[in-house]
Amino acid sequence: EDKVVQSPLSLVVHEGDTVTLNCSYEVTNFRSLLWYKQEKKAPTFLFMLTSSGIEKKSGRLSSILDKKELFSILNITATQTGDSAIYLCAVGEGTASKLTFGTGTRLQVTL
Amino acid sequence: GAVVSQHPSRVICKSGTSVKIECRSLDFQATTMFWYRQFPKKSLMLMATSNEGSKATYEQGVEKDKFLINHASLTLSTLTVTSAHPEDSSFYICSARAGGVTYEQYFGPGTRLTVT
Repeated sequence: EDKVVQSPLSLVVHEGDTVTLNCSYEVTNFRSLLWYKQEKKAPTFLFMLTSSGIEKKSGRLSSILDKKELFSILNITATQTGDSAIYLCAVGEGTASKLTFGTGTRLQVTL
Repeated sequence: GAVVSQHPSRVICKSGTSVKIECRSLDFQATTMFWYRQFPKKSLMLMATSNEGSKATYEQGVEKDKFLINHASLTLSTLTVTSAHPEDSSFYICSARAGGVTYEQYFGPGTRLTVT
């Protein structure tokens, strides 16, 4: 069964566009939701969200969590070609501290 | 801070041989390290969780005798792929978590294993 589902699977936008990436989850003992950016190698950490309704921002990126509806969104404004990457959503559950990753959204930003 | 290294970055080996991959936390002590496998255009699949000084916990479907994990110190974990076969070819990524109540993991750069 799918525990962490991301949409869309892939997306192509023009530089300057704003994009919204979605992550929905279904876990029994939710603790936190994390967003990572993966370019050619290993994922790099973007955000960790534990509370509903509190937006986290870092430059042109922002993210928010809705624990009632069980989803999170990652927004990227004024996209640049350097934003092209796979964006991974992961959910931490229980006390084991392990993460369950979604399938990822492949974003391509063109000129 | 929070840098994790992996070695080697790329390895090619013959079928039947064993390969060891090292994962090191360079500037923090990692009480827990995780090993993932990633197939092309797929997400990360957790293979096992290792805690320093204790046996690794393997995910369902992962053969512990084939993928040997040793977490000998707070800064080093190793994954040994024993008797490798072409189907073991993959991108292996480790991550490390510092102590305390946090789910934030820092990833190594990954190791591309090709078994011929």
